[in-house]
Amino acid sequence: DQQVKQNSPSLSVQEGRISILNCDYTNSMFDYFLWYKKYPAEGPTFLISISSIKDKNEDGRFTVFLNKSAKHLSLHIVPSQPGDSAVYFCAASNQGGKLIFGQGTELSVKP
Amino acid sequence: DAGITQSPRHKVTETGTPVTLRCHQTENHRYMYWYRQDPGHGLRLIHYSYGVKDTDKGEVSDGYSVSRSKTEDFLLTLESATSSQTSVYFCAISGGLAGNYNEQFFGPGTRLTVL
Repeated sequence: DQQVKQNSPSLSVQEGRISILNCDYTNSMFDYFLWYKKYPAEGPTFLISISSIKDKNEDGRFTVFLNKSAKHLSLHIVPSQPGDSAVYFCAASNQGGKLIFGQGTELSVKP
Repeated sequence: DAGITQSPRHKVTETGTPVTLRCHQTENHRYMYWYRQDPGHGLRLIHYSYGVKDTDKGEVSDGYSVSRSKTEDFLLTLESATSSQTSVYFCAISGGLAGNYNEQFFGPGTRLTVL
């Protein structure tokens, strides 16, 4: 039973446009959500997070939106750059620091 | 970036042999984790530690054991390796003095192939 789902395995975007990566979850006890970015042959790198008491968190070109009623979060990257091409994982925590990860979405930003 | 190293970075072994992977951190973080990454599954938690000698099972712990005798080292042992344990293994840490324990920092990974 996949508690955190990323239904799009891949996404292709033109440089300068917006990238929107989506993530759905089923466990209403999750109270903290994170996005990680992963390049090939490297470990995941923490990107941005959001607590369940907020609905938006912004850090430079990256914004995460949380819709608790829909159990949905999204990551917006504006403007997208070729260096953003990577696999993006969303993750959720229900206290205790244990993370449940989605399957990942491979973003390709084309020049 | 957090100081996390994993060794070995690559290993090929045969079915039935024991294998130990090492994670070493220089950040004095309290929590340490072992994950495996497989296509279509994202990262799945194998075991984690919330202090020296304090460990607990994760989502996919069967066939694996861990030990943490020092803050800086977390060992993952495959007691008798099987082909289904061919994967990329990541160590992560969290819970530094000023850190949010939910925000985990990952090592570079170990690619393990079991023939």
